[in-house]
Amino acid sequence: GQQLNQSPQSMFIQEGEDVSMNCTSSSIFNTWLWYKQDPGEGPVLLIALYKAGELTSNGRLTAQFGITRKDSFLNISASIPSDVGIYFCAGVPPRGQNFVFGPGTRLSVLP
Amino acid sequence: DAGITQSPRHKVTETGTPVTLRCHQTENHRYMYWYRQDPGHGLRLIHYSYGVKDTDKGEVSDGYSVSRSKTEDFLLTLESATSSQTSVYFCAVNTGYSYEQYFGPGTRLTVT
Repeated sequence: GQQLNQSPQSMFIQEGEDVSMNCTSSSIFNTWLWYKQDPGEGPVLLIALYKAGELTSNGRLTAQFGITRKDSFLNISASIPSDVGIYFCAGVPPRGQNFVFGPGTRLSVLP
Repeated sequence: DAGITQSPRHKVTETGTPVTLRCHQTENHRYMYWYRQDPGHGLRLIHYSYGVKDTDKGEVSDGYSVSRSKTEDFLLTLESATSSQTSVYFCAVNTGYSYEQYFGPGTRLTVT
């Protein structure tokens, strides 16, 4: 079946640094979504992308829908301690209602 | 907040016993989903519902059944729990007008 790869798997950064992570697939997707999960809680939707090439921001977060429709990118600017968590991408394939989730990128922010 | 609650939040049960997890939503969303989350696998779809009494299987449905007799409730049943079903279970909802899914807080199930 369709799979999503996320990189990096984990990252340690200093507070104040910018962060970049990506989600890739060998298949195309019509919609990309980015979620953040804190320990012991459910994933929270950060950004939804619906069109190839689309660039959308939510505060310090910016996400892009790759032009090939096979990837998406998430950037976090000026990281803060509460950015710690696991970031998941999810894609909706053509003619599909059901999501495919990536394995996640674990972000740690050092003070 | 999508008005989703899950119960119980934690459960320990023995192999072979039946278990039912409940997802309750307050905002009349048409679509409801059950996922399991395991290390190294991310979130995997178990079953979903697109309306009252309308359900379908996801990618990891073996050993699970679901029921939706009211819009607001979606039940996940493990007829005879096995240790491989130890996991964190998440319910999610979707209005059907967009692809945005909103998740509940999760249920941690341990099968001993």
